[in-house]
Amino acid sequence: DAGITQSPRHKVTETGTPVTLRCHQTENHRYMYWYRQDPGHGLRLIHYSYGVKDTDKGEVSDGYSVSRSKTEDFLLTLESATSSQTSVYFCAISESGGGANNEQFFGPGTRLTVL
Amino acid sequence: TQLLEQSPQFLSIQEGENLTVYCNSSSVFSSLQWYRQEPGEGPVLLVTVVTGGEVKKLKRLTFQFGDARKDSSLHITAAQPGDTGLYLCAGNNAGNMLTFGGGTRLMVKP
Repeated sequence: DAGITQSPRHKVTETGTPVTLRCHQTENHRYMYWYRQDPGHGLRLIHYSYGVKDTDKGEVSDGYSVSRSKTEDFLLTLESATSSQTSVYFCAISESGGGANNEQFFGPGTRLTVL
Repeated sequence: TQLLEQSPQFLSIQEGENLTVYCNSSSVFSSLQWYRQEPGEGPVLLVTVVTGGEVKKLKRLTFQFGDARKDSSLHITAAQPGDTGLYLCAGNNAGNMLTFGGGTRLMVKP
């Protein structure tokens, strides 16, 4: 299994509070991704990173920010959590980032509940 | 807007039956992947198809990429309870991102 961990695994928070989720990899892969998974929507990309300090927006980036100060860590921040951000969040890593070899390895997920 | 449509969304069958899951799009993809996800875990890659018309087999699973590279199918022969899970297709259009379908939740009853 690819070395990807996510923390915390579960979190309950209140509307309006800031939340930071962490993704840590030991594979030295260049690309890292944050997705959210909701029933009927599959996985939707929030943000991704193609290198240290290099990030870009995905399909559902509003209300989220990311940072990557080291190759191994990719942080997802909800500046002011809303109930619509209740979801399961997955981090993924990829060596190539594109093309036929863009296999993504996923972490175990973080279940976030915003009350 | 979801660019990849999967059907059916839910499928409940008896052990030993065959099934096919479809993944359709109006967009052309340079490659398409199928993932399987079990409850409480992240998706795991099953296969990547690249060439239009390509067929790949993985034991009882057969994957096909459409000739126009806009659609794909996953066929399972003689399904087993261990095949239960969420099956996701994901398309790559030569960028750094994958577009995922909504998933097909499969339950195989013993």
